[in-house]
Amino acid sequence: NAGVTQTPKFQVLKTGQSMTLQCAQDMNHNSMYWYRQDPGMGLRLIYYSASEGTTDKGEVPNGYNVSRLNKREFSLRLESAAPSQTSVYFCASSGRQFSTNEKLFFGSGTQLSVL
Amino acid sequence: QKEVEQNSGPLSVPEGAIASLNCTYSDRVSQSFFWYRQYSGKSPELIMSIYSNGDKEDGRFTAQLNKASQYVSLLIRDSQPSDSATYLCAVKEAAGNKLTFGGGTRVLVKP
Repeated sequence: NAGVTQTPKFQVLKTGQSMTLQCAQDMNHNSMYWYRQDPGMGLRLIYYSASEGTTDKGEVPNGYNVSRLNKREFSLRLESAAPSQTSVYFCASSGRQFSTNEKLFFGSGTQLSVL
Repeated sequence: QKEVEQNSGPLSVPEGAIASLNCTYSDRVSQSFFWYRQYSGKSPELIMSIYSNGDKEDGRFTAQLNKASQYVSLLIRDSQPSDSATYLCAVKEAAGNKLTFGGGTRVLVKP
């Protein structure tokens, strides 16, 4: 039982390059999230998926796209990376069906640098 | 824009003392409140949740909620060096599953 697995752990991009961050959970959770964390700013929600087949914008969606590929997987894509997207990215999941548990389970994070 | 505010710290406390962390939020209808602990270079982990006004205790941790004042706090009793971390306050919107996080308070427990 791995929990939430996200890849890669580290990535360096040049301005304008594209990449996809992968996330998978094996806890049969309905909801999945992508957050970014910048120094002193806590976690800011980029996109989330309340259930398979749905995605919604969070607080800071500009410059990102997401795909909820199936119940397990939720990817985040940067189409044209910018230095302002340098951050630590966390994927998270929550909410087994019929459970009131609202606990977020986080992946280990991706350190992204855009030069 | 719904806001969650925390003092960034660092909050320096001697070992064995009580650490007191505060959080205010702007969304008056929020019903669910959480404290996450994040060690440097690691991902956040949930340590407390609280839904009703008053105190909730779990081991050395006590969460306090005052919805009228839009204020939630976390007390860490008998602080240990292993409690040194950043503590994130999170507030869940009234409808849906979105959490809004504060900027976090860094706590340093000195032996």
